[in-house]
Amino acid sequence: DAGVIQSPRHEVTEMGQEVTLRCKPISGHNSLFWYRQTMMRGLELLIYFNNNVPIDDSGMPEDRFSAKMPNASFSTLKIQPSEPRDSAVYFCASSYGGPSGNTIYFGEGSWLTVV
Amino acid sequence: AQSVSQHNHHVILSEAASLELGCNYSYGGTVNLFWYVQYPGQHLQLLLKYFSGDPLVKGIKGFEAEFIKSKFSFNLRKPSVQWSDTAEYFCAVNPNNAGNMLTFGGGTRLMVKP
Repeated sequence: DAGVIQSPRHEVTEMGQEVTLRCKPISGHNSLFWYRQTMMRGLELLIYFNNNVPIDDSGMPEDRFSAKMPNASFSTLKIQPSEPRDSAVYFCASSYGGPSGNTIYFGEGSWLTVV
Repeated sequence: AQSVSQHNHHVILSEAASLELGCNYSYGGTVNLFWYVQYPGQHLQLLLKYFSGDPLVKGIKGFEAEFIKSKFSFNLRKPSVQWSDTAEYFCAVNPNNAGNMLTFGGGTRLMVKP
């Protein structure tokens, strides 16, 4: 079975440019999560979708960040305009939805550097 | 809001030493508890999880964790570490009323010297 697939794996961009990160969750999973990992702040949940609907976006840093899930097999996280402080590893994760407690599976991450 | 504390930020051990990593959480209700491992340059992988039942949970690669409800703790243990256990370890909490949303601790970086 394919795991959570993210693209691009690595991106280097200039400040002010738009960045789009993509995620394909595991087939059959209906919960999707975007996390950001930095040395300073550790792992932060940015947004959580269930059945393609955003459930909790309280972790989205500011209006420059937006996330969409147009269908069950695809999600995007967009940063516009990007800033150097957005440099981080962005992980997408998915799980089978349910009341609680199902294992979350992570993708390999998108390593973003904004210069 | 719930929080997860991992008090040991960096741990250095020699091979064959025993390991215990602390994890405490603050949440008054029923929770599900997880330990994830992140090897250098890789994504997070599940080590073990606790939902209910026996509070001593066994995971992959010889790891185990014990849920002590009265102490709000879920410490990770391994009797004898190997060099290949060098990684960062994350404790995570999922309250029973929060879908599958995880709140992670700050992580503990383990270095095992050969």
